[in-house]
Amino acid sequence: EMTQSPSILSASVGDTVTITCRASESLSEGLAWYQRRPGEAPRLLIYKASVLQKGVPSRFNGSGSGTDYALTIKNLQPDDFAFYFCHQYWHFSFTFGGGTNVEAK
Amino acid sequence: HLEESGPGLVQPSKTLSLQCTVSGGSVEASFWTWIRQAPGRAPEWIGYFSNKAITNFIPSLVGRVTITVDTSKNQFSLSLRSVTAADTATYFCARQKDDHMYSPLEIWGQGIFVTVAP
Repeated sequence: EMTQSPSILSASVGDTVTITCRASESLSEGLAWYQRRPGEAPRLLIYKASVLQKGVPSRFNGSGSGTDYALTIKNLQPDDFAFYFCHQYWHFSFTFGGGTNVEAK
Repeated sequence: HLEESGPGLVQPSKTLSLQCTVSGGSVEASFWTWIRQAPGRAPEWIGYFSNKAITNFIPSLVGRVTITVDTSKNQFSLSLRSVTAADTATYFCARQKDDHMYSPLEIWGQGIFVTVAP
């Protein structure tokens, strides 16, 4: 089970924001982060907890190990207001966090 | 690029059937996955069809769910039998990044919302 927080995050352009996911058991870094904008397909941002997917801006950063993981977005841009969710692919059957809506303050 | 298609409304006890058309690559390669997200809930991984024609499903859906591949149409499909209102969700197809079970999902479709109702 993945516990993601917060469920809603209000921020402004230029802010640094952090979203966290906690697993019920160690994931050995088998964790990914996705972004979903309204009307678009989800987009892989980070995998193996901290590896940036090709083409994703470097203001996105993943960290963590064991059961605790975080996605940090620095210098928030207008395109970054979206829905974010984590995904553990280490333990079958694979599970997702409940998601975080990053909205404009 | 992946695109889901199928009916947006299915009657209770019937079979939900969705297709995912793959463009820009072959459906014979990679692992192909279905995920769903019910309103107000976390996404739920449903299962995959591998490049060696092996399927694997979430235990709660075993016996009701099938994933197949049609190489002639470059599509893969989801079939979910005996649906109830609890199966109402947005259904996504996706391609795994790596050719093994423990992999993130690299490419997703936009999703299709399916309502189960009379």
